[in-house]
Amino acid sequence: AQKITQTQPGMFVQEKEAVTLDCTYDTSDQSYGLFWYKQPSSGEMIFLIYQGSYDEQNATEGRYSLNFQKARKSANLVISASQLGDSAMYFCAILMDTGRRALTFGSGTRLQVQP
Amino acid sequence: GAGVSQSPRYKVAKRGQDVALRCDPISGHVSLFWYQQALGQGPEFLTYFQNEAQLDKSGLPSDRFFAERPEGSVSTLKIQRTQQEDSAVYLCASSLPPGETQYFGPGTRLLVL
Repeated sequence: AQKITQTQPGMFVQEKEAVTLDCTYDTSDQSYGLFWYKQPSSGEMIFLIYQGSYDEQNATEGRYSLNFQKARKSANLVISASQLGDSAMYFCAILMDTGRRALTFGSGTRLQVQP
Repeated sequence: GAGVSQSPRYKVAKRGQDVALRCDPISGHVSLFWYQQALGQGPEFLTYFQNEAQLDKSGLPSDRFFAERPEGSVSTLKIQRTQQEDSAVYLCASSLPPGETQYFGPGTRLLVL
């Protein structure tokens, strides 16, 4: 079975600075996808970024980038130029390409952006 | 709207009552998922539909939980004889083919007293 570990329960960052949220995963499969979602206090899970296990380049989406290190089984999210609206819970998740079609989530990191 | 919608957004039930939670996926999305999110935790898988077929219900915690998607579009998650441990946020997500990005609705926050 696959597993996601997020070791930072909470993080603080100053507005306009960059922040890295850690995510490690455990799977014996070779083909999978890694996702990051943002969950503001309103409760909706907002998709941010995706990285396939065979993608050689790190994914980027605007201010979000994914630092994918396959050998270390890590998929850290980097948010550049933090904004007050980035304050939320952030979840890392893995989806296997075979077998169960559902996401397996980590326990999340609460990010607070300070002015 | 273009996104996944869920209703009701909030539900308070007395222990023992039955509840029904609705999910309206993004139009054309084949796959539909239900997740349960306890306070302070990540979502956990409950069940998965591809069109009207329920392909995986291994995450349903007991036989009090039942889900359906009779016409391959709207889905309903029903919880019978609710108990306090059922209190959680219930999230619905949809995707095009399975394996594609899942888009979530706003969730239904269920409180069982």
